[in-house]
Amino acid sequence: DAGVTQSPTHLIKTRGQQVTLRCSPKSGHDTVSWYQQALGQGPQFIFQYYEEEERQRGNFPDRFSGHQFPNYSSELNVNALLLGDSALYLCASSYSTDTQYFGPGTRLTVL
Amino acid sequence: KQEVTQIPAALSVPEGENLVLNCSFTDSAIYNLQWFRQDPGKGLTSLLLIQSSQREQTSGRLNASLDKSSGRSTLYIAASQPGDSATYLCAVGPPNAGKSTFGDGTTLTVKP
Repeated sequence: DAGVTQSPTHLIKTRGQQVTLRCSPKSGHDTVSWYQQALGQGPQFIFQYYEEEERQRGNFPDRFSGHQFPNYSSELNVNALLLGDSALYLCASSYSTDTQYFGPGTRLTVL
Repeated sequence: KQEVTQIPAALSVPEGENLVLNCSFTDSAIYNLQWFRQDPGKGLTSLLLIQSSQREQTSGRLNASLDKSSGRSTLYIAASQPGDSATYLCAVGPPNAGKSTFGDGTTLTVKP
């Protein structure tokens, strides 16, 4: 079992660009959550996907959107990038309400 | 709105010492509480998960307790080792098992 995987590992973009991050959940998991972690802070919840629909959303603007595919993998899209979007983006998967397993994250740098 | 606080923000101890990390939360209506370890620039590794109906969980040298009524959890690390050096985060989940709310973590340094 490969666990939760995320791609790419690192990404550098410029302000105003758009970015797509990808997540493959742990085998058997049907729920995917995305978090943003700024340097020195705890992760902040962005949104959660279940059965291909956004089930819950944190306090993030509409520039942040996502998608879940029939195989439970997920994408996080961020439009009109700002310098403040620079962070580690973490994906977590779980089966229903059980333990969340986190991926290694994608480090996004916005210049 | 759930708020999670971890004190201290940083802790430095000599190898072999027993230590306690603290986590407090404002809303006692939680589904579960999870402790994670994070190495610099890396993702999160789950250490212990305590369901709301439980009081504690143990794994090796780690013991986590949960007191919902006081809004507190502690992570006890016995006989600390340099390899324990990392940031430790706690996260609480709401009753509908949706988003988790994290503290900002305690950065632990264990000196040889």
